[in-house]
Amino acid sequence: DAGVTQSPTHLIKTRGQHVTLRCSPISGHKSVSWYQQVLGQGPQFIFQYYEKEERGRGNFPDRFSARQFPNYSSELNVNALLLGDSALYLCASSSPTGRTEAFFGQGTRLTVV
Amino acid sequence: AQSVTQPDIHITVSEGASLELRCNYSYGATPYLFWYVQSPGQGLQLLLKYFSGDTLVQGIKGFEAEFKRSQSSFNLRKPSVHWSDAAEYFCAVRGYNKLIFGAGTRLAVHP
Repeated sequence: DAGVTQSPTHLIKTRGQHVTLRCSPISGHKSVSWYQQVLGQGPQFIFQYYEKEERGRGNFPDRFSARQFPNYSSELNVNALLLGDSALYLCASSSPTGRTEAFFGQGTRLTVV
Repeated sequence: AQSVTQPDIHITVSEGASLELRCNYSYGATPYLFWYVQSPGQGLQLLLKYFSGDTLVQGIKGFEAEFKRSQSSFNLRKPSVHWSDAAEYFCAVRGYNKLIFGAGTRLAVHP
């Protein structure tokens, strides 16, 4: 079975631009979460989606938004990019309840110049 | 507030030596605890998890961790480190609808 897949793997954007990152969860997983990992730090929670509804949101500005599609894939959108948005963006899928772990994709490395 | 502390930013060990990476958590209820490993530029791979029951849990790649409620700790151990274990290790606790990660411990392995 395929794991969590993210696209693109790398991209470079200019300050003020908009970016869309994509994630496909493991087959059968209905919950997708997004994390931001700045160099040298642990991942920070951005969003969790389950059944196309937002179930959790971290301490990120409104420039960050996400959505989940009927096939449970997800997009993370960031508007008006800042230099500080440069990071590895990780997507994780899991079953939403019970004793289950989160499985992570390889991430998208975003560089804002 | 829920939090995870990994006191050691960098650790260097010799190949074949034993390893212990420290993790302390702050969480009001019974914690669900995890250790992940991350190679440079890669995503996170789950090493092991603790939900309940036996406080000593076994994971992949020969790793184990011990949950100590009295010390709010979940330290990761390996009896003999291999050069391929060089990576960054993250401890995490499950909060409400999210994982809360520590800052990570970077492990270097000398031949």
